[in-house]
Amino acid sequence: GAGVSQSPRYKVAKRGQDVALRCDPISGHVSLFWYQQALGQGPEFLTYFQNEAQLDKSGLPSDRFFAERPEGSVSTLKIQRTQQEDSAVYLCASSFRSSEYEQYFGPGTRLTVT
Amino acid sequence: AQSVTQLDSQVPVFEEAPVELRCNYSSSVSVYLFWYVQYPNQGLQLLLKYLSGSTLVESINGFEAEFNKSQTSFHLRKPSVHISDTAEYFCAVSDNTNAGKSTFGDGTTLTVKP
Repeated sequence: GAGVSQSPRYKVAKRGQDVALRCDPISGHVSLFWYQQALGQGPEFLTYFQNEAQLDKSGLPSDRFFAERPEGSVSTLKIQRTQQEDSAVYLCASSFRSSEYEQYFGPGTRLTVT
Repeated sequence: AQSVTQLDSQVPVFEEAPVELRCNYSSSVSVYLFWYVQYPNQGLQLLLKYLSGSTLVESINGFEAEFNKSQTSFHLRKPSVHISDTAEYFCAVSDNTNAGKSTFGDGTTLTVKP
């Protein structure tokens, strides 16, 4: 079946622009995670949804970062007034249920802020 | 708080040689441990996982990892590598107190040379 998809795959934004990154999880997966992966580093947790509820947003680096999953399926990560330090690959992962710890990752969106 | 340390950032080996990628973690609670692989321009894929039971876990392509609680390690091994194993490998830890949120190491680049 279809895996986790993300769009766009690449995004170039000028400093100060707003961006929206989309994640389509595997159908039926309850849990959805966003991670940020800087160059040469491992993914770092940003936020977590169980269905439409955002249960943990402790990893969001600032109030410029906002995520939503209004119908418990597709999720959007929005970054307002982008800064150069926001340049990274943003990864989305989903899992079947919150107690199922295996996560399936999308290919990521590479964001470059110029 | 959890943390993961991958002790080698790059591991070059010759084809058919054995390899070990080292991973140490710290956590105050019982953990679940994972190895993910990331091929160039692709998303992370689960390679193997330890949730409970036997401390030695195996993947379908010949990798194995052993959970060592006393040494807080989860090293990844393969007795004979192939060119196609060239990729980045990430060790990750989660626990049942944070709903599957994973903490990743910074990755180890495995390069298999002919």
